[in-house]
Amino acid sequence: DIVMTQTPLSSPVTLGQPASISCRSSQSLVHSDGNTYLSWLQQRPGQPPRLLIYKISNRVSGVPDRFSGSGAGTDFTLKITRVEAEDVGVYYCMQTTQFPRTFGRGTKVEIE
Amino acid sequence: EVQLVESGGGLVQPGGSLRLSCAASGFTLSSYWMHWVRQAPGKGLVWVSRSNADGSNSIYADSVKGRFTISRDNARNTVFLQMSSLRDEDTAVYYCTRSHYYDTSLLEYWGQGALVTVSS
Repeated sequence: DIVMTQTPLSSPVTLGQPASISCRSSQSLVHSDGNTYLSWLQQRPGQPPRLLIYKISNRVSGVPDRFSGSGAGTDFTLKITRVEAEDVGVYYCMQTTQFPRTFGRGTKVEIE
Repeated sequence: EVQLVESGGGLVQPGGSLRLSCAASGFTLSSYWMHWVRQAPGKGLVWVSRSNADGSNSIYADSVKGRFTISRDNARNTVFLQMSSLRDEDTAVYYCTRSHYYDTSLLEYWGQGALVTVSS
């Protein structure tokens, strides 16, 4: 199974300041079709997860452009340019290159 | 509007069985892969199982293989997760999720979840 390692596990951020989350996979996420199936999900308190970004850097419709994804191979990053109060929650990276699908442990973004 | 509504959760004793349902609306279920993902209290997300669009192929996490069965009734727009030989560690909120039509790698829509508690 592919192991997804996220850092940090907790990220206290000042409103309006940037936040960055790293995700590393134990093996390359490049699929035989050439795509890299790395997604980011947001889970606000008390809510189900919500897909934010797929295939490294593609934002889902309706996701604010302050969220961006980057990376390649085994190293990926989610960035929030200016954190807003509604961004509080836990962020998960997830690989869907192969089964079983696997998630990172999550990074808690909170306002300090 | 796409909606996924899970039901059937509850308290069950270790070794017992439970069947979760996921009622889908706002789309044609027979065109989409469906997954179950679970989350133990205060913990992270764990993928459990996937059913392809017509239900002919299913895949499971090793932790549930042989104990859980995913199935679907496309005519009734419902996906099921039959859980047997339940263990304490199966206690979790179980989410039903739908893949994207063209890109099945996306877990595009999520239900609100159903809580399963395994305890004596």
